[in-house]
Amino acid sequence: EPEVTQTPSHQVTQMGQEVILRCVPISNHLYFYWYRQILGQKVEFLVSFYNNEISEKSEIFDDQFSVERPDGSNFTLKIRSTKLEDSAMYFCASSEAGGTRGFYNEQFFGPGTRLTVL
Amino acid sequence: RKEVEQDPGPFNVPEGATVAFNCTYSNSASQSFFWYRQDCRKEPKLLMSVYSSGNEDGRFTAQLNRASQYISLLIRDSKLSDSATYLCVVNDGSGGYQKVTFGTGTKLQVIP
Repeated sequence: EPEVTQTPSHQVTQMGQEVILRCVPISNHLYFYWYRQILGQKVEFLVSFYNNEISEKSEIFDDQFSVERPDGSNFTLKIRSTKLEDSAMYFCASSEAGGTRGFYNEQFFGPGTRLTVL
Repeated sequence: RKEVEQDPGPFNVPEGATVAFNCTYSNSASQSFFWYRQDCRKEPKLLMSVYSSGNEDGRFTAQLNRASQYISLLIRDSKLSDSATYLCVVNDGSGGYQKVTFGTGTKLQVIP
């Protein structure tokens, strides 16, 4: 069964450093997403990406964050100048399509990258 | 009022019991509703979508009440493997149908 993969599973970094989290979405999917989940809190939407551009983003996704699809398979989340409060689990997800009115395309989540900022 | 609100639990129930979770949402324009399941330190996985007419999948039944803005999940004949956190997820359809809002989840522990 196809699945979303993410690397690394755990990333430890110093405050102020840049990190890149990597994801390989399911191959025939067209929409890609990043979410984060701070320990003990809810899953929060960060950004959705389609056709090589951001289609939607939340207020969390500020200038510190960027996303890229550098080739045909990878989807990355870059966090510049990490802060302590960026420590969280980051989930990548993908879906076949973005959904139309009243119809939701299931988003398949990867196993996550646990980011620890020291 | 939180966008999507759930009782965090935990709900501790014996095997074979029936348990129900509710979730309320604040945006009356919300379009789509779902229940996800999340095991400890794992990714969320779609359990079922919630339709206006209600829907059932084996031991799981989901209901939507638009007038009162809540959705429910009923689990019959609970199994040990049902132990997880159940996430209520809502898509309000604004600006596209990709952005969803998760509740904080309700933790279920099924006891032997």
